[in-house]
Amino acid sequence: EPEVTQTPSHQVTQMGQEVILRCVPISNHLYFYWYRQILGQKVEFLVSFYNNEISEKSEIFDDQFSVERPDGSNFTLKIRSTKLEDSAMYFCASSFDNYGYTFGSGTRLTVV
Amino acid sequence: EDQVTQSPEALRLQEGESSSLNCSYTVSGLRGLFWYRQDPGKGPEFLFTLYSAGEEKEKERLKATLTKKESFLHITAPKPEDSATYLCAVQGRGADGLTFGKGTHLIIQP
Repeated sequence: EPEVTQTPSHQVTQMGQEVILRCVPISNHLYFYWYRQILGQKVEFLVSFYNNEISEKSEIFDDQFSVERPDGSNFTLKIRSTKLEDSAMYFCASSFDNYGYTFGSGTRLTVV
Repeated sequence: EDQVTQSPEALRLQEGESSSLNCSYTVSGLRGLFWYRQDPGKGPEFLFTLYSAGEEKEKERLKATLTKKESFLHITAPKPEDSATYLCAVQGRGADGLTFGKGTHLIIQP
């Protein structure tokens, strides 16, 4: 069964550093998303991406965050100048038709 | 603002003991209601999408139902491998993002 692949599975970074989280969505999917889940809290929507541009973003997705699809297969989330409160699981997801996403296994980001 | 409330927060059942999980929601025009299963340290795994009141879907021991204000996930004769956190999410009309509930942590004891 096709999968959404995320790397790395765990990333530790120092406060103030930039991190890039990487995702390979399912190959024929057209919509791409990032979500985060702070430990013990809800899964929260960050951003959706379609046709090479941001389609929708939440209040969480401020100027600290950016997304990119640098080639035909990868989808990245960049967090500039990380803060302690950015520590969370970050999930990438993809969808063919903007229904019924497939999520990846996530990247656990720890900011120290 | 879309909201999803799931109950109970946690549920412990004996193997074979059937039960139901509740998801109450408010949304500005429902595009879809989704159920996911999440195992510890993993991403949500898609179970069902429901689109309109009265709709029902089944998969093995799980059955999801939908009304205009809530959805139920019925678990029949559960097994220990059904232990997980079950997440409910809604997508409003015109929205890309899903609004999730906190989930129900289900433990099935042998």
